[in-house]
Amino acid sequence: GQNIDQPTEMTATEGAIVQINCTYQTSGFNGLFWYQQHAGEAPTFLSYNVLDGLEEKGRFSSFLSRSKGYSYLLLKELQMKDSASYLCAVLDSNYQLIWGAGTKLIIKP
Amino acid sequence: NAGVTQTPKFRVLKTGQSMTLLCAQDMNHEYMYWYRQDPGMGLRLIHYSVGEGTTAKGEVPDGYNVSRLKKQNFLLGLESAAPSQTSVYFCASQMRENQPQHFGDGTRLSIL
Repeated sequence: GQNIDQPTEMTATEGAIVQINCTYQTSGFNGLFWYQQHAGEAPTFLSYNVLDGLEEKGRFSSFLSRSKGYSYLLLKELQMKDSASYLCAVLDSNYQLIWGAGTKLIIKP
Repeated sequence: NAGVTQTPKFRVLKTGQSMTLLCAQDMNHEYMYWYRQDPGMGLRLIHYSVGEGTTAKGEVPDGYNVSRLKKQNFLLGLESAAPSQTSVYFCASQMRENQPQHFGDGTRLSIL
């Protein structure tokens, strides 16, 4: 079966750095997405990785290792507004998007 | 630019009632999706469409029907609502399969 694993919940301190991991086992791979979802709101797109390596976008970076079936989202200089759920999703060989259950990130002052 | 608009935003139904959720997008996207999101679970795909006049089943299609008569609209129907269908429903649209999906604000549906 297809499976995506993310930690259920993480806590970090304002101003710090946090890494949210995502491991996947899917039938084929055509890319990995990260989305942010604030409580009661819709998911919004953060990043897309299809090749190995690190993609940086401001305070957010996303890393992919296809051989290990592993990705992480790195958030720097954490702000209170970063408190949200972070969803990892993998595009499989049929271009179906397989979603993880999400990681709830709690930022403390 | 409205993006993806879902109506209604909230609804309470009694068991056995029917209703239709409407999704409209103004980005000329080919692909449209209906998901449900329940606490502690990821987004689960109900039905999707790869173009006007086409629909296909997703992971959890039972109890739901869809139609895509116009490219910009994707309707989700519940013929006979059940308490297990209490959820938050999200519609999304996408230009191509390897591009980000754009989500509506969701419909919070309670079935009593």
